[in-house]
Amino acid sequence: EPEVTQTPSHQVTQMGQEVILRCVPISNHLYFYWYRQILGQKVEFLVSFYNNEISEKSEIFDDQFSVERPDGSNFTLKIRSTKLEDSAMYFCASSEVKNSPLHFGNGTRLTVT
Amino acid sequence: AQSVTQLGSHVSVSEGALVLLRCNYSSSVPPYLFWYVQYPNQGLQLLLKYTTGATLVKGINGFEAEFKKSETSFHLTKPSAHMSDAAEYFCAVTENRDDKIIFGKGTRLHILP
Repeated sequence: EPEVTQTPSHQVTQMGQEVILRCVPISNHLYFYWYRQILGQKVEFLVSFYNNEISEKSEIFDDQFSVERPDGSNFTLKIRSTKLEDSAMYFCASSEVKNSPLHFGNGTRLTVT
Repeated sequence: AQSVTQLGSHVSVSEGALVLLRCNYSSSVPPYLFWYVQYPNQGLQLLLKYTTGATLVKGINGFEAEFKKSETSFHLTKPSAHMSDAAEYFCAVTENRDDKIIFGKGTRLHILP
């Protein structure tokens, strides 16, 4: 069964550094998402992406965040200047059509020191 | 705006006993409802979904959930718990006018031998 893949599985970075989290969604899916889960807390929506543009974003997704689909297969989340509170598990997800079930990757654990 | 409330952050049941995980939602329009399961160090996997039609939906691994509009509930059940059911379970909701799916805080299910 096709799956969403995320790399790296674990990223450690220093505060203030830029990180790029990478995702390869399922190939025939049209909607792409980033969610994050701070340890012990709920899964929070960050951003949705459709037709090469952001379709919706949460309050968490401020100017330090950006997303890109650079080559038709990868879907990246960039955090420009990381803060300690950005430490979390970041999940990429994709879906075939709007509101259809999300298929999640296994996540990237980001640790900001 | 839609929201999800999961009662009980931790639930413990004996192996072979009934599993009941509670979920209540808030939505201004008919919702789409989902249950996801998260095993340690993995992404979220869809258990089942309700969109329209039959209010009792069956999912994978013997789980089912019933949409009750009058109670704004979508509780997850399984007649007989198995040790492999130990995981975190997330209820989620979306409205067809939104791109994002909103998750509850999750319920960690513990299975006692």
